Amino acid sequence: DAGITQSPRHKVTETGTPVTLRCHQTENHRYMYWYRQDPGHGLRLIHYSYGVKDTDKGEVSDGYSVSRSKTEDFLLTLESATSSQTSVYFCAISDQGTYGYTFGSGTRLTVV
Amino acid sequence: QKEVEQNSGPLSVPEGAIASLNCTYSDRGSQSFFWYRQYSGKSPELIMSIYSNGDKEDGRFTAQLNKASQYVSLLIRDSQPSDSATYLCAVIRASQGGSEKLVFGKGMKLTVNP
Repeated sequence: DAGITQSPRHKVTETGTPVTLRCHQTENHRYMYWYRQDPGHGLRLIHYSYGVKDTDKGEVSDGYSVSRSKTEDFLLTLESATSSQTSVYFCAISDQGTYGYTFGSGTRLTVV
Repeated sequence: QKEVEQNSGPLSVPEGAIASLNCTYSDRGSQSFFWYRQYSGKSPELIMSIYSNGDKEDGRFTAQLNKASQYVSLLIRDSQPSDSATYLCAVIRASQGGSEKLVFGKGMKLTVNP
C-alpha cells in the first residue's frame, strides 16, 4: 500500500533462529502496529507503538519484541523462531489511533 | 465471550442480491467501528467506518450500528462477483494510557455467484 512498506515479503527460516521484520512508513503517522493473521484466529495484535521509543504489548506478544527508533520504522523481532510463529504478519499505521488503520502488504513467514 | 464476534460463514449470494454481514462486540464503551475487506492473499482494506447509532451509506455499502444491542452490520446492495472477499469487523478498544487498539473479528467469507 502506498505510504507503508513491509520487508521482506516472504521468508523461510529455521527453528531457533532470530528473525526481524521491517515496517516502513512515509505518512509520518504516530501509531504503528504489528498483527499476525492465522486461519481460525483472524488478526491478532502482537505489539504496537504510540511514538518513537514508546511501545506496548498486544494480546499475543510472547516470543516477540519490537523497536521504534524513528517515526518511520517499526521493527518486529522473533527472538528464537518456532513453528507456531509461522504466519502472515501485517504492519498497520494510524494517524490518531481512533480511526481506521492502513495496512501494509504483509510478510509471509514460514518457520521450518 | 469474544470481544468481536462474527458468524464464520461462509456466505454465498447470487449476483444482484443483498449481502448482510453481522458483528457483535462485548465492550459497551467502544465508540469506533469499522468494516474491512480482504481479498485472498491481500491485506485488509478499510471500506466503512461508523461512530454513531444508525445507518451510514457509501455507494452500495451501508453500515448499521446499534450501540444498545452492541451490534454492527454491513449491507452490500446489488452484490457483484468482485465483492467476493473476506469481510472483517473491527472495533476500537480503549486501553490504559489512552492507547486505543483495533480488535478484529475472525471474518466472514462472502462469495457472490454470477
